[in-house]
This record gives sequence, structure tokens and C-alpha cells, in this order.
Amino acid sequence: DTEVTQTPKHLVMGMTNKKSLKCEQHMGHRAMYWYKQKAKKPPELMFVYSYEKLSINESVPSRFSPECPNSSLLNLHLHALQPEDSALYLCASSQGRGDTEAFFGQGTRLTVV
Amino acid sequence: AQSVAQPEDQVKVAEGNPLTVKCTYSVSGNPYLFWYVQYPNRGLQFLLKYITGDNLVKGSYGFEAEFNKSQTSFHLKKPSALVSDSALYFCAVRDRAQGNLIFGKGTKLSVKP
Repeated sequence: DTEVTQTPKHLVMGMTNKKSLKCEQHMGHRAMYWYKQKAKKPPELMFVYSYEKLSINESVPSRFSPECPNSSLLNLHLHALQPEDSALYLCASSQGRGDTEAFFGQGTRLTVV
Repeated sequence: AQSVAQPEDQVKVAEGNPLTVKCTYSVSGNPYLFWYVQYPNRGLQFLLKYITGDNLVKGSYGFEAEFNKSQTSFHLKKPSALVSDSALYFCAVRDRAQGNLIFGKGTKLSVKP
């Protein structure tokens, strides 16, 4: 099983809403990532969890709040987002070693209205 | 700082012809290099990687890449392009310190029938 599952696939939310994105993997990977991708642009790293601890926060605004409840799950809590936050949010996981590839989920297409 | 560059925004080839998508890297030490493909509104799919060893790396869907240390390049190739190969291709390097992938800007490949 080399699958990373993200839910929901699509999300429309207002600027005052609170929502969460979910990501799940069962490959035993110890590193999990959130990326943000704008149309026709490369993914931009947001957060990295290593062994369930936040190891990297790429100066992401506090309206994005990551959570890693266990080694298989990664959440991204959203609150008071802006329209410019509309993007494809990608979750990925890897074994954490530098020579291993990362596996990506299908992404959540987020639209903030 | 580590980085990769994809000099072409778009590559167009005819079906059946060979294709090349270019990537150059800037890394101190030995690089860990990766190629990913992204279809519209989908996540990234891993194609292949270079870690060490043979400079010609074979990957998924008939793709291969040649690592050239003297030219600091890692070009993606396929002997015979298919229309279904049309997608966005990303070259990436592993950040040795933080563990995440650093992506090039992407190259849109269009294969015409």
C-alpha cells in the first residue's frame, strides 16, 4: 500500500469558518508534510512532522494549525482564512531518510469565499 | 542553499518522438534528486530518483533520467512519447538538513497526436 489519502477532495469555506483537512497513510512513514500549491506553480512547503513532532514551520500564518494525532494521521486546521489562501493543499509522507521518495495524496482543493 | 532549475516552462513533442525535460541542480555534496509528474487537479506521482550508483536511472511508465555530475544536470527522458504523458513535471532535490523536497518551477509537457 503506497497510498496517502486526503479528505475532503474539495472544500469551500467562508472567511469566518473553521474547517479541517485530513491526511492518512499506512506505510509506516515517520515523516509527514503539508504543502500548498497554487495553479501551475510548484508545491511550497508549509509544515513537516517527524516522529509526530513538528520539526519545520515555514513561517506559515497562525490561521493554519497543523496537528499530528498519531504516526498515521495528519490534520490541518483552518480558521479565518483569506481568499488568497485558496489553493491545492497536498499531504505527503516519507520514511524520513534522505534517499527515500515522498508519496503524495491527491490533495484538497480549497476555495475561500 | 540547495536548488533545482527547470529552464523550460513548456516542452512540446509529437507522439512517438523522444522527449527530454531538463533539470539542473545546485547542491553542496552529493545530491538526492527526484522526478515527479502531476496530472490536472491531482497530487504528485513519483517517477524516479537518483541517489548513487549508475548514472542512468530507470523509472515508472518508461521514463528514465541521466545524472551528469560535470554538468550538474538530471534530465528526464523517454524514447517514445505518448499523448497520455502530457502533464506537469517537477524536478526536486532533497534538503539534507530539513529532509523536505525542494521543487523546480515545473515544466509542462504537451504531446501532440
